[in-house]
Amino acid sequence: EVQLVQSGAEVKKPGESLKISCKGSEDSFTRHWIGWVRQMPGKGLEWMGIIYPGDSDTRYSPSFQGQVTISADKSISTVYLQWSSLRASDTAVYYCARTETPILAHIDTWGQGTLVTVSS
Amino acid sequence: NFMLTQPHSVSESPGKTVTISCTRSSGSIATNYVQWYQQRPGSAPTTVIYEDTQRPSGVPDRFSGSIDRSSNSASLTISGLKTEDEADYYCQSYDDSSRVFGGGTKLTVL
Repeated sequence: EVQLVQSGAEVKKPGESLKISCKGSEDSFTRHWIGWVRQMPGKGLEWMGIIYPGDSDTRYSPSFQGQVTISADKSISTVYLQWSSLRASDTAVYYCARTETPILAHIDTWGQGTLVTVSS
Repeated sequence: NFMLTQPHSVSESPGKTVTISCTRSSGSIATNYVQWYQQRPGSAPTTVIYEDTQRPSGVPDRFSGSIDRSSNSASLTISGLKTEDEADYYCQSYDDSSRVFGGGTKLTVL
């Protein structure tokens, strides 16, 4: 069974940097796309962007371009989502999600989610 | 860009059938596939319908999806409702640059 295992919850202060991770459980990790989805408290799902770990081809949703950085280390089957300067409005649960294409295909596997709390 | 509009909430009794709509604001609903995701409280989402009408393995056939070109909307229908179906449901489609989620519908089974 394919699994995506995300890093644990984080509590940060505004202005701090952060990098959260999503690790795949199988060799085909580099042959799928891994996306990130934000869910703010009590709100819906928002698509942030996606990366192909095989060659690090990355596409961002216009709303998140320049706000976050998505990267990958295929040698350890891990994708990352990072912020250089967090804001209180970044408080949310972040899910990674596996799919076969950057846009068309459905998500077939979800990570368990990482709660990020940004508070002074 | 476009939006997907869902009712905020629906409720129905166990054993009944409920339909959740998802209306596309611009562009044809039929042009790009629609997926549906279920999110139970405190859990990550899971896929219940993909490519408008397809069910992943393990999803019961009580769940079905459809497209209505006349209303430019997609629908998720759940028959024989069970208490375990109580969850938030999100539709999702895409355009040339990104995926778009609907705002979500809270299904209450009472």
